[in-house]
Amino acid sequence: EVQLVQSGAEVKKPGESLKISCQGSEDTFTGYWIGWVRQMPGKGLEWMGIIFPGDSDTKYSPSFQGQVTISADKSSRTAYLQWSSLRASDTAMYYCARRGGSRGFYYFDQWGQGTLVTVSS
Amino acid sequence: DIQMTQSPSSLSASVGDRVTITCRASQRINNYLNWYQQRPGKAPNLLIYAASTLQSGVPSRFSGSGSGTDFTLTISSLQPEDFATYYCQQSYSVPRTFGHGTKVEIK
Repeated sequence: EVQLVQSGAEVKKPGESLKISCQGSEDTFTGYWIGWVRQMPGKGLEWMGIIFPGDSDTKYSPSFQGQVTISADKSSRTAYLQWSSLRASDTAMYYCARRGGSRGFYYFDQWGQGTLVTVSS
Repeated sequence: DIQMTQSPSSLSASVGDRVTITCRASQRINNYLNWYQQRPGKAPNLLIYAASTLQSGVPSRFSGSGSGTDFTLTISSLQPEDFATYYCQQSYSVPRTFGHGTKVEIK
């Protein structure tokens, strides 16, 4: 069974940088796209972007383009989400998830446990 | 971006009730529509994809229907573990946007 294990909770100050991670448990990690989803406190799910670790092809939501960077290291089966300068509004739970499906019928069928990022002065 | 509008935003129901949640897309998305359940403090869990296909392991009391712009998720007989928030998501185009969620609470 594919499992996605995310890095632990972070508490940062505005303006600091951060990189959180999501590691897959199987070699098949590189055969799938891995996405990131934001959930602000008490709010709904927001699709941020997605990466194919095999060749690092990446797609961003316009809402997050330029605000975060999604990357991956296929050798360690790890995807990353990073910020160069955090804001208080980045405070949220961030989930990674594996994209399953085919022929356009795509969905997130495996999820990480979430990484809580708190940005506060 | 395609906007996904869910209704209601919350509802109260009793164990055994039939519950229906609707999701409307801002443009036609054929049947590229997923449903997720999120229990408090947990990651979301896929229930249905392609509008009506039940994900493996999901109880048969969950069903989905619709095509084009209008979709429904139905729980035929609400169970205690079904009290959660439900989200629709379109997979027609990037960004693959979610609805704002429907919280199902205990009456």
